[in-house]
Amino acid sequence: DSGVTQTPKHLITATGQRVTLRCSPRSGDLSVYWYQQSLDQGLQFLIQYYNGEERAKGNILERFSAQQFPDLHSELNLSSLELGDSALYFCASSPRGDYQTYNEQFFGPGTRLTVL
Amino acid sequence: DQQVKQNSPSLSVQEGRISILNCDYTNSMFDYFLWYKKYPAEGPTFLISISSIKDKNEDGRFTVFLNKSAKHLSLHIVPSQPGDSAVYFCAAGGYGGSQGNLIFGKGTKLSVKP
Repeated sequence: DSGVTQTPKHLITATGQRVTLRCSPRSGDLSVYWYQQSLDQGLQFLIQYYNGEERAKGNILERFSAQQFPDLHSELNLSSLELGDSALYFCASSPRGDYQTYNEQFFGPGTRLTVL
Repeated sequence: DQQVKQNSPSLSVQEGRISILNCDYTNSMFDYFLWYKKYPAEGPTFLISISSIKDKNEDGRFTVFLNKSAKHLSLHIVPSQPGDSAVYFCAAGGYGGSQGNLIFGKGTKLSVKP
């Protein structure tokens, strides 16, 4: 158990809908990262938050957004869903969020999103 | 363009033998590299890492080698055990910027046969 929790575990929805994925980082970790893993693909970095502020952005679509709350949990919002958004979404956390320290990330179990 | 590449989607090894998983990268600015192991229905789990200033790091049965001139790293598992069967992801981080995110390869599925 990495200490990172994600809810829900599975989500099935229809095209055009909006969903929210939730992540609670390990106790004490300030950084939260979101990754997407599509079929036969590696983990694609979406976005990083550090202590409530957006720190880095990867290949995140404009239809997707995220935030990190004062209690450090994070939510990833996916809207106007398309079939191609079906994927595993992982959240990870780390104590810090910059390159100056070695940055091992601890991953949650993921949320499997299926868009029908 | 993929900055971290794992060119072998799968690898099959006999129990007790050595498993060698390979990874190539294109960005010479990466500061550190990590290997993660992933079982089905679970998130990736950190396995071992190496700083860009080193060429080898060892942890029990796992050793990571880094060849900076070739932009290549490899993970050696000796001896391989059936419980090592999983997908292994190579990841790189730092790249001289201010971001803490990792860039992952597509993974190599290792099967260790009894």
